[in-house]
Amino acid sequence: DGGITQSPKYLFRKEGQNVTLSCEQNLNHDAMYWYRQDPGQGLRLIYYSQIVNDFQKGDIAEGYSVSREKKESFPLTVTSAQKNPTAFYLCASNLQGAVPNEQFFGPGTRLTVL
Amino acid sequence: GENVEQHPSTLSVQEGDSAVIKCTYSDSASNYFPWYKQELGKRPQLIIDIRSNVGEKKDQRIAVTLNKTAKHFSLHITETQPEDSAVYFCAASRGAQKLVFGQGTRLTINP
Repeated sequence: DGGITQSPKYLFRKEGQNVTLSCEQNLNHDAMYWYRQDPGQGLRLIYYSQIVNDFQKGDIAEGYSVSREKKESFPLTVTSAQKNPTAFYLCASNLQGAVPNEQFFGPGTRLTVL
Repeated sequence: GENVEQHPSTLSVQEGDSAVIKCTYSDSASNYFPWYKQELGKRPQLIIDIRSNVGEKKDQRIAVTLNKTAKHFSLHITETQPEDSAVYFCAASRGAQKLVFGQGTRLTINP
């Protein structure tokens, strides 16, 4: 899992601002995922991508956007339309079609809205 | 789609005792069931997984059991230690489809 990096580790945003969270992996994984985690809560899927230039909405996609222009990169933009963005954001990846389908997580970005 | 329910949401045990966390899943075609451990402020990390062609798997103090008929699987931790305190997540997936996670269990080991 050391092959997945997220930046920054901490991010502060003013209300009304868009911010972009970075996720990069050098594991040659096809699929990448973004999860949101609130204090004491589980992992909620925001978006995922199984192939370059394609992505699908997860359970809580409203107020977020993504792109997948390169296999290694899957940035997440938190837009001003996301009303309560303060949370811990985790990126993950796995090798599509692998058995078992182990998913590796990045170290996370903690976003705080001021 | 798949739905995974995890119980209990919190669990407190005395050091040295055993802990058991249970998950149920809805899709009978799911065939991969991992367990992740997340320490405070850290990333989830895989601790053990099981595939549907196996009923039980052990790795030192941890084990996972799978009952395909009843569609549930459990994590067993024996001889618990303070470093076992964390949040544990179960998950299920079918083939190459995305993992569906349970809600998590906060395990506290009391000295």
